[in-house]
Amino acid sequence: DAKTTQPPSMDCAEGRAANLPCNHSTISGNEYVYWYRQIHSQGPQYIIHGLKNNETNEMASLIITEDRKSSTLILPHATLRDTAVYYCIVKPGGGADGLTFGKGTHLIIQP
Amino acid sequence: AAGVIQSPRHLIKEKRETATLKCYPIPRHDTVYWYQQGPGQDPQFLISFYEKMQSDKGSIPDRFSAQQFSDYHSELNMSSLELGDSALYFCASSLVGGRTEAFFGQGTRLTVV
Repeated sequence: DAKTTQPPSMDCAEGRAANLPCNHSTISGNEYVYWYRQIHSQGPQYIIHGLKNNETNEMASLIITEDRKSSTLILPHATLRDTAVYYCIVKPGGGADGLTFGKGTHLIIQP
Repeated sequence: AAGVIQSPRHLIKEKRETATLKCYPIPRHDTVYWYQQGPGQDPQFLISFYEKMQSDKGSIPDRFSAQQFSDYHSELNMSSLELGDSALYFCASSLVGGRTEAFFGQGTRLTVV
């Protein structure tokens, strides 16, 4: 059963902010929201994760709604190198559980 | 910074042969994960190990086995290879109890002919 729902594809102009939505309406209280991306056939790359507060790092910002049923990943100034498949994943924090990758969003940055 | 090292990067095997993939985690990482990504598919979790013990199990076929050694490196053993086993195999490592995100290697591309 899919635990997250993402649009299959999105376009964004280079230099603009890319906002990638994710629905996770069945998220449990102990589950974090993780974002990874995969640039064509390379190993997936960790971007950011959060529990309920908004988070920001050098790559992106993560906005989680108050009810935690959805979130948005924001790439503030998209570049061509940000073209990739972006995966939103929910899992309990810590532990050695594997990541369950869904279909993800193919983000295409247009020049 | 040191990353996850996988070897070999490419491997070609015939049907019914065996293959062994190796993964060297980031230094001090105590957990390794294996993933399989078929052509046009999303990565699928196979199995994970924490401190040399199997921790979580995903959709790993019975023909596959894996282990983590005392130096924390891991090996994925695949027997009776089938054409459908052709895929990218990724290893990831993390530090359980500390930073929890997993870092992935560049993968091994296995082709079964």
